Amino acid sequence: NAGVMQNPRHLVRRRGQEARLRCSPMKGHSHVYWYRQLPEEGLKFMVYLQKENIIDESGMPKERFSAEFPKEGPSILRIQQVVRGDSAAYFCASSAGQGLREAFFGQGTRLTVV
Amino acid sequence: AQSVSQHNHHVILSEAASLELGCNYSYGGTVNLFWYVQYPGQHLQLLLKYFSGDPLVKGIKGFEAEFIKSKFSFNLRKPSVQWSDTAEYFCAVNPIQGAQKLVFGQGTRLTINP
Repeated sequence: NAGVMQNPRHLVRRRGQEARLRCSPMKGHSHVYWYRQLPEEGLKFMVYLQKENIIDESGMPKERFSAEFPKEGPSILRIQQVVRGDSAAYFCASSAGQGLREAFFGQGTRLTVV
Repeated sequence: AQSVSQHNHHVILSEAASLELGCNYSYGGTVNLFWYVQYPGQHLQLLLKYFSGDPLVKGIKGFEAEFIKSKFSFNLRKPSVQWSDTAEYFCAVNPIQGAQKLVFGQGTRLTINP
């Protein structure tokens, strides 16, 4: 009865490196959402994906950030050429269907850029 | 702009005190409303949710919230807090007519002194 699984829990990257964050949704869930939580701030929506499709990426920075949710395997949030301002907690949530009546969150990946 | 506002950034109470955390939103249409709690180092957990019907919603751990449509508010309450309620609390809104995503308030950090 695993919930939403995110890994790694903690990720340290040097400026200019790439960060790859993984999210496995709950069993049976085909909708995935990524959120970013900056220090002392609330959660900001980044992107909403269904299997093999990006539905809403209105919260994604225009450059360096990308997300995918392939037919097989976890959803990946990829940050290229990380900068110190990318340091944050990144949360993934999943839901069973449309309407977002209940979203289950993972434990997050805390990215630190040094 | 459409948004979710939590009035209190940091609330400090003694055990057994009563709690009320404010949440207001600015969406004009029908919304689903949520309160999430984030204990230190953990993922977000759903406390309660409102979709329709009785505007007084009861959640887990003795929490409740009241939806007042005329005030666009969904305040969280608990009659008597415990030290274990120390956490961050997030109000979230899903605008049903809009994109499928949760929009979060900035969060309220609750500290309960024993």
